[in-house]
Amino acid sequence: DAGVIQSPRHEVTEMGQEVTLRCKPISGHDYLFWYRQTMMRGLELLIYFNNNVPIDDSGMPEDRFSAKMPNASFSTLKIQPSEPRDSAVYFCASSSRLALKREGPMDEQFFGPGTRLTVL
Amino acid sequence: RKEVEQDPGPFNVPEGATVAFNCTYSNSASQSFFWYRQDCRKEPKLLMSVYSSGNEDGRFTAQLNRASQYISLLIRDSKLSDSATYLCVVNGMDTDKLIFGTGTRLQVFP
Repeated sequence: DAGVIQSPRHEVTEMGQEVTLRCKPISGHDYLFWYRQTMMRGLELLIYFNNNVPIDDSGMPEDRFSAKMPNASFSTLKIQPSEPRDSAVYFCASSSRLALKREGPMDEQFFGPGTRLTVL
Repeated sequence: RKEVEQDPGPFNVPEGATVAFNCTYSNSASQSFFWYRQDCRKEPKLLMSVYSSGNEDGRFTAQLNRASQYISLLIRDSKLSDSATYLCVVNGMDTDKLIFGTGTRLQVFP
């Protein structure tokens, strides 16, 4: 089975440009998470969706960041305009309590390979 | 105070050694606890869940101490392939969210 798919794997852009990161979750998973990872701050949750609906975007740094999930198999994270401090690895992860046949709090999340973003 | 705190390391140990990592969490209402492993320039992957009674998976043992709000990971007979960053993970106030520690780096040398 294909895991979580992210594209592009690497992105180098100049300050001020728009950046769009893409994610395809595991089929059947109803939760999708976007994370950002830096050396200084570790892995930070930006936003997550349940059944394509944004549930919590409190981790989105500012209005320059936006995320959408138009259908169950696709999500985007957009940065406009990008700034050098946005340079990080961005991970998408998916999960499903039902798919894992578990009750109670969420557990395993399956991560994509990440997009390494460099803003010059 | 950070929600999940870990010693960043690195822990440099020889093959065959036993090494232990601790992690503390601030939310006493947390219900789920995990260790994830992240190899260099790779994505995090679940290593094991941590249960109240403690659990073991081969050379790996995880323990939970709710009273002191810390979890631990013990690795016995370290292998070169154990070299990675180990992330302590706790579910947040919103139980669909996971809070990740910044990780403890382990380097096993020959």
